[in-house]
Amino acid sequence: QQQVKQSPQSLIVQKGGISIINCAYENTAFDYFPWYQQFPGKGPALLIAIRPDVSEKKEGRFTISFNKSAKQFSLHIMDSQPGDSATYFCAASLSYNTDKLIFGTGTRLQVFP
Amino acid sequence: EAQVTQNPRYLITVTGKKLTVTCSQNMNHEYMSWYRQDPGLGLRQIYYSMNVEVTDKGDVPEGYKVSRKEKRNFPLILESPSPNQTSLYFCASSVGTRGTQYFGPGTRLLVL
Repeated sequence: QQQVKQSPQSLIVQKGGISIINCAYENTAFDYFPWYQQFPGKGPALLIAIRPDVSEKKEGRFTISFNKSAKQFSLHIMDSQPGDSATYFCAASLSYNTDKLIFGTGTRLQVFP
Repeated sequence: EAQVTQNPRYLITVTGKKLTVTCSQNMNHEYMSWYRQDPGLGLRQIYYSMNVEVTDKGDVPEGYKVSRKEKRNFPLILESPSPNQTSLYFCASSVGTRGTQYFGPGTRLLVL
C-alpha cells in the first residue's frame, strides 16, 4: 500500500525529443506528488509537484500529468536537452506530512545531442 | 547561502566501528530527515525529526540512531556498522509538514 512504482529504470532520448517517466501508487490517501531531479554527485532537488485537485501542471518544459482514477502520474520533459540528463525520482505523500515521502526507484535519463 | 551540509562526504570503515555522519542546516527548518539511496531501491527514509528532541522511525531504521539536540543539527549514528549499511546517505530538511524538502550533497559510506 505504501509503494510507488516507477518506470522505466533508464531512458535514452535524443536532443529535442520528449522524455516520459511514469509512476503508479497504491495508497489512495496520498495527495502530494513531487518529482525530484538528481545530478551525479548531488542531492535530489525538487523539480515540480502536483496535488490531485488538478490533472496537469506545467512549469516550462516540465509537465506532470495526473490520473487519479488510475492512480498514476507521469513526468513529461518536452524538447529534452543534454542538461536534463539526470536521475528522476517520483514520490508521494500525504499533504499534511510531506516529510514522509515515499520515493519511486528512480529513472536515469540520458539525452544525447 | 541556504544549504544542508553533511560530513564526511566519503567514508570507509570496518564492521563494528561506531561512526557518526553529521548534518547541519542553516535555514531554521523544523523538519529534518535521513535517507539512504541504493541502486534499484530509490530513496528510503531512515529517521525523521519534527523538532528538537522529537524523532521518529522511517521505513528502514534498523541499525541506526539519531538525535536532535539543536534545531540545526541532526546527526546519524551507526553504533555497529555492517556491510549491508554500505550506501549513499542523504540528509534533508524542510520548513514544516507542507514544505519542500532540501537535500544535502550526500555521504557515501563503505563498510568492509
